[in-house]
Amino acid sequence: KNQVEQSPQSLIILEGKNCTLQCNYTVSPFSNLRWYKQDTGRGPVSLTIMTFSENTKSNGRYTATLDADTKQSSLHITASQLSDSASYICVVSPWMDSSYKLIFGSGTRLLVRP
Amino acid sequence: NAGVTQTPKFRVLKTGQSMTLLCAQDMNHEYMYWYRQDPGMGLRLIHYSVGEGTTAKGEVPDGYNVSRLKKQNFLLGLESAAPSQTSVYFCASSYSRTAGGASNQPQHFGDGTRLSIL
Repeated sequence: KNQVEQSPQSLIILEGKNCTLQCNYTVSPFSNLRWYKQDTGRGPVSLTIMTFSENTKSNGRYTATLDADTKQSSLHITASQLSDSASYICVVSPWMDSSYKLIFGSGTRLLVRP
Repeated sequence: NAGVTQTPKFRVLKTGQSMTLLCAQDMNHEYMYWYRQDPGMGLRLIHYSVGEGTTAKGEVPDGYNVSRLKKQNFLLGLESAAPSQTSVYFCASSYSRTAGGASNQPQHFGDGTRLSIL
């Protein structure tokens, strides 16, 4: 069964600190892996999209890595800010899936405290 | 540039009532999607559309219907609301797939409709 598991479920860090969020998936083969940020009461916003052949992709202070051999991805946030408080969702797109179905993780809720 | 706009933002219904959720996008995207988000679960696809006049079932389509009469609009209908349909509903849109494989284009989401069924 195609699944995307994220850890931890929630995380609290102090402003200015770095953190890493984890994503493990069983989707195989897959086309791309995405990370979305979802602020409370808002829709998800795309942070990065990595194809199966990419190892890393950055978007400002956000850096995503992908290890297709171990089926793991991580999202590293550098020098956290209060505005980073949000849920971060890992999403995998199955290869050639005619149903256009993305597999969503349940997210990691990050709280950045002053 | 509004992106993806969902109306209404909040709604409370009684069991058995019907309603329609509206999604509008101004990015000329071919593909549109309806998802529901429930606590502790990932987003689940209800229905999707790959173009004007076409719709297809997603992962959890039962109890919902959709229509895409215009390219920029995608409507989600609940004919007879049930408490199990209490959820946050998100609409998304994206460009069409690249040739030969799954799209690497991001989906753009609206800010959701919070629906409670009593």
